[in-house]
Amino acid sequence: QKEVEQDPGPLSVPEGAIVSLNCTYSNSAFQYFMWYRQYSRKGPELLMYTYSSGNKEDGRFTAQVDKSSKYISLFIRDSQPSDSATYLCAMRNFGNEKLTFGTGTRLTIIP
Amino acid sequence: DGGITQSPKYLFRKEGQNVTLSCEQNLNHDAMYWYRQDPGQGLRLIYYSQIVNDFQKGDIAEGYSVSREKKESFPLTVTSAQKNPTAFYLCASSYRSGDEQYFGPGTRLTVT
Repeated sequence: QKEVEQDPGPLSVPEGAIVSLNCTYSNSAFQYFMWYRQYSRKGPELLMYTYSSGNKEDGRFTAQVDKSSKYISLFIRDSQPSDSATYLCAMRNFGNEKLTFGTGTRLTIIP
Repeated sequence: DGGITQSPKYLFRKEGQNVTLSCEQNLNHDAMYWYRQDPGQGLRLIYYSQIVNDFQKGDIAEGYSVSREKKESFPLTVTSAQKNPTAFYLCASSYRSGDEQYFGPGTRLTVT
């Protein structure tokens, strides 16, 4: 079993819809959680960086962490065609620089 | 204009040849990282460096080597000992070890 599980998709939603992307993990020591956006043939771009449980909002993006369920989510409101990309979750322990990545979810926003 | 640059964008090599991928950053970051990305797999850590003249193996270091002689530069050599070198290689950096990591644009290496 992988430490971090992420549905690869593909996920297609109409423009303007709310998108929900999720990752589950098995290592209860993970405390720092990240979401990256990766366009085709480009490097990942850091979207959200959160610590422990709770919500964090940045513009149209909301990151949610539920440590009791070992489940993290990224919500995208008012989705745009420019949001079409692969979204990667990543996480690490306290004091450990090593990130563990999910495999990524490919998202397409249909105009 | 601060950022991380990787060159070249595409690289083609024959089997049995060593090849060096460049990574440069002007963000004044102490820590730098090399990852490999393959279809259907998450990013996997090859090597990382927390400070100049120091580096550690990641999860898949076999067949790779690195150096960190300058703060700004962290080149990766893919040696002929690497069994499946064809992949997308990503360099990242962070202000300090453990901080959020920022990625370069990547180098796609194809070995035939």
